[in-house]
Amino acid sequence: AQKITQTQPGMFVQEKEAVTLDCTYDTSDQSYGLFWYKQPSSGEMIFLIYQGSYDEQNATEGRYSLNFQKARKSANLVISASQLGDSAMYFCAMREGLNTDKLIFGTGTRLQVFP
Amino acid sequence: DSGVTQTPKHLITATGQRVTLRCSPRSGDLSVYWYQQSLDQGLQFLIQYYNGEERAKGNILERFSAQQFPDLHSELNLSSLELGDSALYFCASSGGISFTWGDEQFFGPGTRLTVL
Repeated sequence: AQKITQTQPGMFVQEKEAVTLDCTYDTSDQSYGLFWYKQPSSGEMIFLIYQGSYDEQNATEGRYSLNFQKARKSANLVISASQLGDSAMYFCAMREGLNTDKLIFGTGTRLQVFP
Repeated sequence: DSGVTQTPKHLITATGQRVTLRCSPRSGDLSVYWYQQSLDQGLQFLIQYYNGEERAKGNILERFSAQQFPDLHSELNLSSLELGDSALYFCASSGGISFTWGDEQFFGPGTRLTVL
C-alpha cells in the first residue's frame, strides 16, 4: 500500500487565491513527521513546512499552513494568496517512526498559478 | 541555496559504465541521504549515512554503493549503468549538533544522470 498519497496530479489557481493540496498517509506508528517540499522547474527541492504527529496545533510558515487531521490521516498543504512563483511541483513526505530518518515521498502535485 | 553541494550537475554516460556522484553536506550536518527521482519511480530513498556509518538502506540496487568520508562528504557510486538508471540524484543532509525530530532535510541541487 502506498504510504503517502497525493491524488491531485495537477491543480490550477488564480493569483492571490488560496489553494489546498491534498495528502493522505498510511502508518501504524504513533510517532511520525510530515513534510512538504516544493520543486520548481529548476529542479531543487525546497522545504516548506513540517508537522509532527504529536503537535496539537497546525503548523504554519508564512503563507503556508498545514491542515493536519490525524484521525483522517491527512496533512493538506494550504497556500494562501498564491503568487506566480508558487507554480511548481509539491511533494508531501513522511518520516515514519523514531528509528528512521528517511523520507517517503508522494507522487507530487503540479500547481500552476495563473494571473 | 540550501548549503548542500553536489557535483557534477549533469552527467551523460553510456550503458555499462561507472560514475561517481559527490555530495558535500551543510556545515555541521552529520547525516547524508541519497534519493533518486525518476519519471516511473518518483522520489525514492536510496541510502543514509550518519557520521561515516551506514544508517539506513532503501531501494538501492546492488550495482550502487555509497560511502561517507571523515570530512562528512559522501559519494554515490553507480556501476554497470543501464538506461533505467537515468534519473535526478539528490543528496540531502540533516542532523546538526542540535538535531531534533522535526529537522528537515536540506536538499542539494541534484545531479542529472543520463545513460545512453
